[in-house]
Amino acid sequence: GAVVSQHPSWVICKSGTSVKIECRSLDFQATTMFWYRQFPKQSLMLMATSNEGSKATYEQGVEKDKFLINHASLTLSTLTVTSAHPEDSSFYICSAAGPSGNTIYFGEGSWLTVV
Amino acid sequence: LAKTTQPISMDSYEGQEVNITCSHNNIATNDYITWYQQFPSQGPRFIIQGYKTKVTNEVASLFIPADRKSSTLSLPRVSLSDTAVYYCLVGDGNTGGFKTIFGAGTRLFVKA
Repeated sequence: GAVVSQHPSWVICKSGTSVKIECRSLDFQATTMFWYRQFPKQSLMLMATSNEGSKATYEQGVEKDKFLINHASLTLSTLTVTSAHPEDSSFYICSAAGPSGNTIYFGEGSWLTVV
Repeated sequence: LAKTTQPISMDSYEGQEVNITCSHNNIATNDYITWYQQFPSQGPRFIIQGYKTKVTNEVASLFIPADRKSSTLSLPRVSLSDTAVYYCLVGDGNTGGFKTIFGAGTRLFVKA
């Protein structure tokens, strides 16, 4: 299947700083990528849909100025958590629509801890 | 967007067949049904996808009745390593705006 990779796998940052998480489609071009966050023992919550070359579409309740999403190329989308706070600590996962368009492939996830 | 409903948890023993059913009463004509497996601290992993009838691959089978309002993931002869959360998703990639909304998933516990 198609491969989606995230980096870093885990990151610790200080409160008030910003941190960037990358999501890459390694063997296919992805015009659409998705970002989720997941708290322990809970399901994935869709945060936003990232379209190459255009602004991301955010789900209701997600602050677009806090979670900046950039999809500058067909293989890379980035999520920047700005002015991070401890409550932003979570597992962040990206996914990309595969070549067929009907299947979504997920990255390995990135743990963010804000101290 | 079709909403999905699955059992919260299931228990099984090694070597048994496990069937997990998902209800998606509002599935649209162009929607596909996809199942994922997720282990703790990992992203979901694609298991199988189908549109109608039956699909089988090396790890699972997917049964979809004619009305497509439900689907059943069948895992043959489970092992301890199959303990995970299983999600069914429905969506349509062809019309654009395909986004995946996750339900609660089914936590499968496989015992020795």
